Amino acid sequence: RKEVEQDPGPFNVPEGATVAFNCTYSNSASQSFFWYRQDCRKEPKLLMSVYSSGNEDGRFTAQLNRASQYISLLIRDSKLSDSATYLCVVNSLLYNTDKLIFGTGTRLQVFP
Amino acid sequence: EADIYQTPRYLVIGTGKKITLECSQTMGHDKMYWYQQDPGMELHLIHYSYGVNSTEKGDLSSESTVSRIRTEHFPLTLESARPSHTSQYLCASSTSGANYYGYTFGSGTRLTVV
Repeated sequence: RKEVEQDPGPFNVPEGATVAFNCTYSNSASQSFFWYRQDCRKEPKLLMSVYSSGNEDGRFTAQLNRASQYISLLIRDSKLSDSATYLCVVNSLLYNTDKLIFGTGTRLQVFP
Repeated sequence: EADIYQTPRYLVIGTGKKITLECSQTMGHDKMYWYQQDPGMELHLIHYSYGVNSTEKGDLSSESTVSRIRTEHFPLTLESARPSHTSQYLCASSTSGANYYGYTFGSGTRLTVV
């Protein structure tokens, strides 16, 4: 089983739609969580950290459910420019390092 | 404005050639990483370093080697390139607080071995 699992998609949604991605992680002791965005043939860029109490950044809301070991990302009022792959990222506690584990990503395609 | 730089951006090279992919960062980060990513596929960690003179192999076996003689510089070398090495190589860096701040990635080097 992979340490971080995501639905690869693609999620095809119209402009203005609300879309949600989920991600599950296997290590219950993981403490840090992020969402990254990666455009086609570009490098991943940090979208937002995920805090225990949930957090919001404009149209983006991240939630953490420790009991069920999943993280979610909600995008409201989707824009064409939101089309990208969204990577769920969790820290690894293996060997007590700062190593981050990247999910395979969920592809989002927003159409007019 | 990039604080982590990779060169070259694109490289097409013949089989058997030795190549070095450059990665430099100006943020003073002590930790640096190399990832390999094929189009539409996941990131694979191939090397990492937690400081000068510290290098470790990542989760994916790679024929490449790395060195960390200076904090800001983390080059990756392939002694004899093969078509199977064709991929995108992404360099990243972080502070000791990666758990809080995540990684910063360079723009990548797209390598094609013919």
